[in-house]
Amino acid sequence: EVQLLESGGGLVQPGGSLRLSCAASGFTFNSYAMNWVRQAPGKGLEWVSGISGGGGSTYYADSVKGRFTISRDNSKDTLYLQVNSLRAEDTAVYYCAKGKTGTTYYFEYWGQGALVTVSS
Amino acid sequence: EIVLTQSPATLSLSPGERATLSCRASQSVSSFLAWYQQKPGQAPRLLIYDASNRATGIPARFSGSGSGTDFTLTISSLEPEDFAVYYCQQRSVWPPTFGGGTMVEIK
Repeated sequence: EVQLLESGGGLVQPGGSLRLSCAASGFTFNSYAMNWVRQAPGKGLEWVSGISGGGGSTYYADSVKGRFTISRDNSKDTLYLQVNSLRAEDTAVYYCAKGKTGTTYYFEYWGQGALVTVSS
Repeated sequence: EIVLTQSPATLSLSPGERATLSCRASQSVSSFLAWYQQKPGQAPRLLIYDASNRATGIPARFSGSGSGTDFTLTISSLEPEDFAVYYCQQRSVWPPTFGGGTMVEIK
């Protein structure tokens, strides 16, 4: 059974930083692209970032480019998102999502989400 | 960036009725469109990919159709657990984008 478990969310002041983690199990982690998708309170879904299975290719939405960094440790089956220079508009639940076989950008399985709240 | 417009915003139906949800793209996405279901407090769940293929474990009452710019998700007979928000998403043109969602509520 595929499981994705996010951690690392919390309350942070504007300009602050956090590192989100997503522990994966139930599949061959290094064979699949992974993504982060966020959802602001009461709003829709927004793709944030993606990474290839080997970690050599990374992709970012314009809204986070230069502030967020996606990475993965395939020896630990874990995905990360380093979020810096946080703004109020980054407040959201951040989901990690496994790419479907053969493509990065269909989100086949999702974690339960980690809430990031940016507020002073 | 491709904009996906979903309609209606809210659909009020009774269990057993047929639900028809629409997603329109601002330019052609070929068949590279997915549908997701999200219930309150839960993560989204992939229902349909490549416009018409059901994901693993998705009941046959869910079906998708369309290509180019116009797509439809049909739920043939609503079950109580189907009342939720539904999102379409395209992967044809980077970046991947989502529609604003359609809420299917109990009438």
